[in-house]
Amino acid sequence: AQSVSQHNHHVILSEAASLELGCNYSYGGTVNLFWYVQYPGQHLQLLLKYFSGDPLVKGIKGFEAEFIKSKFSFNLRKPSVQWSDTAEYFCAVTPGGGYNKLIFGAGTRLAVHP
Amino acid sequence: DTGVSQNPRHKITKRGQNVTFRCDPISEHNRLYWYRQTLGQGPEFLTYFQNEAQLEKSRLLSDRFSAERPKGSFSTLEIQRTEQGDSAMYLCASSGTGINQPQHFGDGTRLSIL
Repeated sequence: AQSVSQHNHHVILSEAASLELGCNYSYGGTVNLFWYVQYPGQHLQLLLKYFSGDPLVKGIKGFEAEFIKSKFSFNLRKPSVQWSDTAEYFCAVTPGGGYNKLIFGAGTRLAVHP
Repeated sequence: DTGVSQNPRHKITKRGQNVTFRCDPISEHNRLYWYRQTLGQGPEFLTYFQNEAQLEKSRLLSDRFSAERPKGSFSTLEIQRTEQGDSAMYLCASSGTGINQPQHFGDGTRLSIL
């Protein structure tokens, strides 16, 4: 079955620390890849997306993600986190490269301490 | 862009009752999606409309669930004879039909079954 795995359910960091959240998917064909973020009390928002081209994708608020096809991975990174990055982060895939259903991972809850 | 609107925000009902949720997508979006999210999990795809046509349904959508989008604008999701396991956040998203159009999510309707 198609699935998305996020390696860490909870991450706690201090401000200015570097962040890397892991995401692996199980689908052998073409995929579109996404990271969504949900700040406390808010709706899911798109952080960044990969469809094709440069596998290093830059998103909003200083986030970036790298698509490594051979590893079926799409890890999210940020060099220096801020308290305002406290949120839940979801990796998602649309199998087949289309834009129909999103298959989400279970999410990683990030807490950044001042 | 007024965003995706969902009503009600919260619904509490007794087991066995019927409930209906409404989603108003972003006005120019002709694709509309329903997802369900339970505690500690990412959203799970339920169904998808393009205009008024329901193009895909998940096997999660049992015969107690029905979704409509009669005029290709707002959509309703009805759950008949609710069960404890239906307690969840029900999310609606919409997107345009151009290539690689991202899904925009609403705040969701939280359903609690007593």
